[in-house]
Amino acid sequence: DGGITQSPKYLFRKEGQNVTLSCEQNLNHDAMYWYRQDPGQGLRLIYYSQIVNDFQKGDIAEGYSVSREKKESFPLTVTSAQKNPTAFYLCASSPSTGEDYGYTFGSGTRLTVV
Amino acid sequence: GENVEQHPSTLSVQEGDSAVIKCTYSDSASNYFPWYKQELGKRPQLIIDIRSNVGEKKDQRIAVTLNKTAKHFSLHITETQPEDSAVYFCAAKGYNFNKFYFGSGTKLNVKP
Repeated sequence: DGGITQSPKYLFRKEGQNVTLSCEQNLNHDAMYWYRQDPGQGLRLIYYSQIVNDFQKGDIAEGYSVSREKKESFPLTVTSAQKNPTAFYLCASSPSTGEDYGYTFGSGTRLTVV
Repeated sequence: GENVEQHPSTLSVQEGDSAVIKCTYSDSASNYFPWYKQELGKRPQLIIDIRSNVGEKKDQRIAVTLNKTAKHFSLHITETQPEDSAVYFCAAKGYNFNKFYFGSGTKLNVKP
């Protein structure tokens, strides 16, 4: 569905737990991104990656970690250091060179702390 | 970095009326401006975009205008329909790489 798949759709985390959100794309896009969406605050960039084995911090990277071992995959780990992780998380991808392109978004993961 | 502001945060119109959503950006080097529509619980979908060498672009009932001098761009929806009800986000592409900065969103409600 749309070439970029996020799982799970819903995730519950206990205090002190690390959890990992999956993002896979089959669009052959070089660049991938993770955004956090909170009500009334739009989309805030957590991490992004232009190419395999390389990634950069976004505006709100504290308490999160990522890896980019394969072009198709960009998992996000929400660590226990993230004090307010309850949010909707969106993964996106795009070609990184050439003409400007909008993102293709995944369907999102809703994370709740219990 | 880039800062994108979006107004209004909510907009309610009658079916058939027009809706206008406005965004401003701070980085004069930004050169690409997409708009996304997000229905409740779903992923954002690109609905229209504009590049900095163009002042206006239309696609059926939606249009986007760009004023580079004033650093603002707007989304115009004509003949609104109930299925246009959603949250709309504007974005601006940063100077380097394909990284976008998003506005805070506008919740559009089209009343039948």
